[in-house]
Parts: sequence; structure tokens; C-alpha cells
Amino acid sequence: EDKVVQSPLSLVVHEGDTVTLNCSYEVTNFRSLLWYKQEKKAPTFLFMLTSSGIEKKSGRLSSILDKKELSSILNITATQTGDSAIYLCAPRGSGSARQLTFGSGTQLTVLP
Amino acid sequence: DTAVSQTPKYLVTQMGNDKSIKCEQNLGHDTMYWYKQDSKKFLKIMFSYNNKELIINETVPNRFSPKSPDKAHLNLHINSLELGDSAVYFCASSQQARYEQYFGPGTRLTVT
Repeated sequence: EDKVVQSPLSLVVHEGDTVTLNCSYEVTNFRSLLWYKQEKKAPTFLFMLTSSGIEKKSGRLSSILDKKELSSILNITATQTGDSAIYLCAPRGSGSARQLTFGSGTQLTVLP
Repeated sequence: DTAVSQTPKYLVTQMGNDKSIKCEQNLGHDTMYWYKQDSKKFLKIMFSYNNKELIINETVPNRFSPKSPDKAHLNLHINSLELGDSAVYFCASSQQARYEQYFGPGTRLTVT
């Protein structure tokens, strides 16, 4: 069975801080890993990673995959209150090619 | 324009009833999904479907059935509702299974 563990489960920081969110996974024949941000409603897509060591960036957010360590990190620099959300990691393996396995998420709270 | 839409947003019903949730996407995607998010915020895949193949998560009770009248729609029909079915149900779509998925706003189902 595919497994995903995210850490920390929750994190409280102040605006301007930098945070690193972790995702470890075990999936059959890994293909890609996706990060999503979930505020009050639907998860919104952030990044899709397929290759180790290549950083994806979007503004203050960046993510990198380590296939050897079966892990990924999501960094957020200069955090803002609008970054408060649950961040979900979802690897995809070829065993269930159309299915993502979601972690339980990291609840990030950014205080003003 | 809403990319992935669901109706209704809220659904309150009694045990034993049959209900449907509708999903539509205007992204031109060929693959659609249904997810269940429980009170612990775990997102679990229920079904993935394109015009060629339906993949069912083996843990989903057969009281749940997806129905797709066309490529842009994937409805979820639930028979004999149970208390444990209370959750938020998300529809999603992607252009082929290997690409990122886009989520609808969710339907909060409460079974009393």
C-alpha cells in the first residue's frame, strides 16, 4: 500500500519567517509528486515534480524532489498571512497510474 | 469562469436515502475523479474515469457509483446513505492521468 507522511503536522510562524515542509513517500514505481495548497475549499495545484534535484519555483514558494531519499520539501520564504493553509503532498506511482495518494497535510498558520 | 464545478455545495439528508452529486469541468480534460475528504482531512481517491476506463478504489462500497453522461461530466450517485458517508466530496479533472489535477469546490454531505 502506498504511504505518504508529511511533517510537521502543524506549524505556527510569524509573517516574514521562512518555513520548510517535508513529505516522505513509499509508492510503487514512483512517477511524480504533486504539491497542493488547501485553504477553506478546494486544493489548488502548486507544483509537480518528476526529476530529482530540479527545483521548481513560483514566487516565494519552491520545491525539490529527492528520489533517492523518497522525499520532497516545500519551502516558503517571507511568509504572509495569506500563506495560511493546509499543504498537501501527493505522490503518484505507476501501480495506480491515475491515482494520487495524498498525505494528511501540514497545517501552516502565519500570524501577523 | 469556473473550471471545475460541483452541485450542490451542501447536502443534508437522512440515512437510507439515495442522492447524487454533479460535477462539470470546462477545461477540456479527458480524465475526471472523485475524492472523499473525511473529518481528519485525508483526501482519498474513490474513482478515476476517462472515456475508456473506470478505475475504482477497492475500498469504496458498491453503494457509490460514478455516472458520466459525457467527457465534461462525472456525477456521483450514492445509494442507501449511511452516517459514515458524511464527508466533503471533491471532483477533479486532468488532461490525461499523468498531469496535475484541478479540483472543484467540494460538496459537504451530512447524513443524519
